[in-house]
Amino acid sequence: DADVTQTPRNRITKTGKRIMLECSQTKGHDRMYWYRQDPGLGLRLIYYSFDVKDINKGEISDGYSVSRQAQAKFSLSLESAIPNQTALYFCATRRGEANVLTFGAGSRLTVL
Amino acid sequence: SQKIEQNSEALNIQEGKTATLTCNYTNYSPAYLQWYRQDPGRGPVFLLLIRENEKEKRKERLKVTFDTTLKQSLFHITASQPADSATYLCALGAGANNLFFGTGTRLTVIP
Repeated sequence: DADVTQTPRNRITKTGKRIMLECSQTKGHDRMYWYRQDPGLGLRLIYYSFDVKDINKGEISDGYSVSRQAQAKFSLSLESAIPNQTALYFCATRRGEANVLTFGAGSRLTVL
Repeated sequence: SQKIEQNSEALNIQEGKTATLTCNYTNYSPAYLQWYRQDPGRGPVFLLLIRENEKEKRKERLKVTFDTTLKQSLFHITASQPADSATYLCALGAGANNLFFGTGTRLTVIP
């Protein structure tokens, strides 16, 4: 089984719908991140969490919200999806002060 | 504004040659720099980390250099193989909170 699991892997939805992307990890890492990847723009940070009670906005948090349900689970929600949120979304984990990210396989979201 | 540039969007080289990828940055003072590999349909995978006080790091056929004066990192793959074909991302670490990623270079090693 993967260390960082994202569901769904692919999702097509319509403008205005609420979408949740889920991430779970078995690495025991305390820090979890949501990134978005777009062609020509690289990976950009949406939200990050250092533990269950600590949630922080990244550089592009508008239009998104997150929930850290447990140390191992971090979900990303789009309350009302719009077409420019079509992208590849990655969850990542990081252990304490270590600098290395472990990424999930990604969730491809298409908003029509 | 802060900017991270990777030398080209795509790089093709012949098998057995050395691939050299470039990462240039402006308006950052990174404490460390990382390189990741990303295959189609997969998440990035960590390869190497080099700190600001290190000039060079090696791991098997991989070598990374870091020049904080030039604000540049070079990533070398020696004796390249078709299996090295992937997109390579550089990322700058400016603290515990975030890594800032470049857009990546897609490397193709031609048999």
